[in-house]
Amino acid sequence: GAVVSQHPSWVICKSGTSVKIECRSLDFQATTMFWYRQFPKQSLMLMATSNEGSKATYEQGVEKDKFLINHASLTLSTLTVTSAHPEDSSFYICSARDLTGGDTQYFGPGTRLTVL
Amino acid sequence: QQQVKQSPQSLIVQKGGISIINCAYENTAFDYFPWYQQFPGKGPALLIAIRPDVSEKKEGRFTISFNKSAKQFSLHIMDSQPGDSATYFCAARSAGTASKLTFGTGTRLQVTL
Repeated sequence: GAVVSQHPSWVICKSGTSVKIECRSLDFQATTMFWYRQFPKQSLMLMATSNEGSKATYEQGVEKDKFLINHASLTLSTLTVTSAHPEDSSFYICSARDLTGGDTQYFGPGTRLTVL
Repeated sequence: QQQVKQSPQSLIVQKGGISIINCAYENTAFDYFPWYQQFPGKGPALLIAIRPDVSEKKEGRFTISFNKSAKQFSLHIMDSQPGDSATYFCAARSAGTASKLTFGTGTRLQVTL
């Protein structure tokens, strides 16, 4: 299947700093990418839908000014957690939809964020 | 209703047995039903998916059964192996290039020796 990569796989930062997570679709172009957050032993919670060349669509309750999403190209989307706090510590997973390859949605390996 | 209800929450199956996980949905606009497998610390991986024009799809040891009238679908893992121990999520999505997956709550499967 298609591959979606994320970088970094884990990151530790101090409270108040910003962290950027990259998501790339390696072998297909993705006009739409999705960012999820997952707490331990829970399901995936959609944070926002990232659209190439336009503004992201955020789910209700997700602070758009805190979680900045940029979808600069058909293969790259970034999530920046601004002014991170310990409660932002979580597992962040991106996903990309391959519209030409069976319309399948593939997930990245995730990024573990720990805010001290 | 966008909710997808998944059961059981956890499941213990002996090696060689059949693991069955069930999901139910309300939104009749859903037309794509994937199952994902997730190991600890990893992202979900697509296992198998079905569309409502068929009632069953099989790929190796994994089978999806789909009941459109009951709005239910299930995952069957035949000859379960310890390596199948993971969390399984069902999901559903409606048509449209911008539509989103709605996930079930997940089932933690443990396959014992």
